[in-house]
Amino acid sequence: DAKTTQPNSMESNEEEPVHLPCNHSTISGTDYIHWYRQLPSQGPEYVIHGLTSNVNNRMASLAIAEDRKSSTLILHRATLRDAAVYYCILRDWGSSNTGKLIFGQGTTLQVKP
Amino acid sequence: ETGVTQSPTHLIKTRGQQVTLRCSSQSGHNTVSWYQQALGQGPQFIFQYYREEENGRGNFPPRFSGLQFPNYSSELNVNALELDDSALYLCASSPGSETSYNSPLHFGNGTRLTVT
Repeated sequence: DAKTTQPNSMESNEEEPVHLPCNHSTISGTDYIHWYRQLPSQGPEYVIHGLTSNVNNRMASLAIAEDRKSSTLILHRATLRDAAVYYCILRDWGSSNTGKLIFGQGTTLQVKP
Repeated sequence: ETGVTQSPTHLIKTRGQQVTLRCSSQSGHNTVSWYQQALGQGPQFIFQYYREEENGRGNFPPRFSGLQFPNYSSELNVNALELDDSALYLCASSPGSETSYNSPLHFGNGTRLTVT
C-alpha cells in the first residue's frame, strides 16, 4: 500500500492562506491523491482529489508536483471552522478493486482568531 | 438528499459480548465500507460491500463480519468483543459504478463503542 507523510500539526491565523504539505514518493501512475478532513466528533469529510493537474473547488485547491511525489492542499482563507485533522490519501484500487482509503496520522490544523 | 446515518451513536459492551452496528447509506449509493478509528489514529479499513457482496477486506479477524441489504443499508457485527475493539466505527458510502470511479466517500459520524 502506497504511503503518505504529513506534518503532525500546523498553525494558521484566521483569514490567512494555509498550505498543507504531503509527501508520497512511492505513488504509482494510477494512484489518485485524495484529501479528507475530520472535524471534532464527526466522520471524515471529502475535500478534493486529483491525478496530475492542479485542481480547484469551492473548499480548497490542490497543487500536485510535476513528478507527483508530493502535493499541497491550499485553503485560501482559513476560518475557525477549518480547524480539523487533514488526511492526504492515495486511493488504493489494487487487486481487490475496492478503492479503499488508507489513512495515515494526518495533520492537525489549528486556526487562531 | 439524506446523508449517511449510523446507529447507535454510542454503545457500551462487556468483553466477550457481541455487537451489531447499523448504517444507512446515502441515497443512490450501492457501495458501503466500514472503518475502525482508535483514539488518536486515522481510520483503518475493515471491509467493503458492493451490491450485497463483500468485495474487499482489511487486516481484521473473522469475528468482524458484515451484511449489506437490498436497500444498500449495512450492518457490522463484532463477536467475542475485546478491550482493543473500543473505537469509533465509521461507515462510508459511495456510488460504486464504473462511471463514478474515484467518487468521494461519504462518511457518517460513527458509532463510539466502548468495551469494558
